[in-house]
Amino acid sequence: DIQLTQSPSFLSASVGDRVTITCRASQGISNYLAWYQQKPGKAPKLLIYTASTLQSGVPSRFSGSGSGTEFTLTISSLQPEDFATYYCQQLDNYPITFGQGTRLEIK
Amino acid sequence: EVQLLESGGGLVQPGGSLRLSCAASGFTFNTYAMTWVRQAPGKGLEWVSGISGGYGSTNYADSVKGRFTISRDNFKNMVYLQMNSLRADDTAVYFCAKYRAVVNYGLDVWGQGTTVTVSS
Repeated sequence: DIQLTQSPSFLSASVGDRVTITCRASQGISNYLAWYQQKPGKAPKLLIYTASTLQSGVPSRFSGSGSGTEFTLTISSLQPEDFATYYCQQLDNYPITFGQGTRLEIK
Repeated sequence: EVQLLESGGGLVQPGGSLRLSCAASGFTFNTYAMTWVRQAPGKGLEWVSGISGGYGSTNYADSVKGRFTISRDNFKNMVYLQMNSLRADDTAVYFCAKYRAVVNYGLDVWGQGTTVTVSS
């Protein structure tokens, strides 16, 4: 199975900050990586797919990059509604796997 | 509006069975692959099973293989998860989700989730 390791697991930041979350795959997954945002008690929301394509309706302050085994999610200027948990997901091989999550909290 | 609505969760004893249902609306159901993802209390997301559109080929996580069965009814726009031999570690919120047109491109629509609790 492909393991995804996110770093950091916890991030404290302020409104207006630029933050980056990294997701590393245990083997190459081309660009078949997605990013999700999840708020407490809610379903995840797709932000980015194929590593860098912004899902329709997602603000442009979110961006993704990477290929192969290393990927990043960047939020250019944090807004209050961005404080949530973020997950990466690989869709290159079954079983599909998720990273362990990065919890983003207000400093 | 594209929508997924799960049902069927509840409290079940270890070793018991439960069938989850997911009602889909607002899109051409039979052309999209569907999946179940679960989240144990306070934990991260775990992909459980997926089924393709059309003929419905299936895939499972190792943790549920041989115990869970995913299926779909393209006439009723429904996807199901039959869960047998349930264990305490199957306790989770179970989400139904729709793949984008290409399976590798992620899950763009999610239901609100249904809670399964396995306990005596």
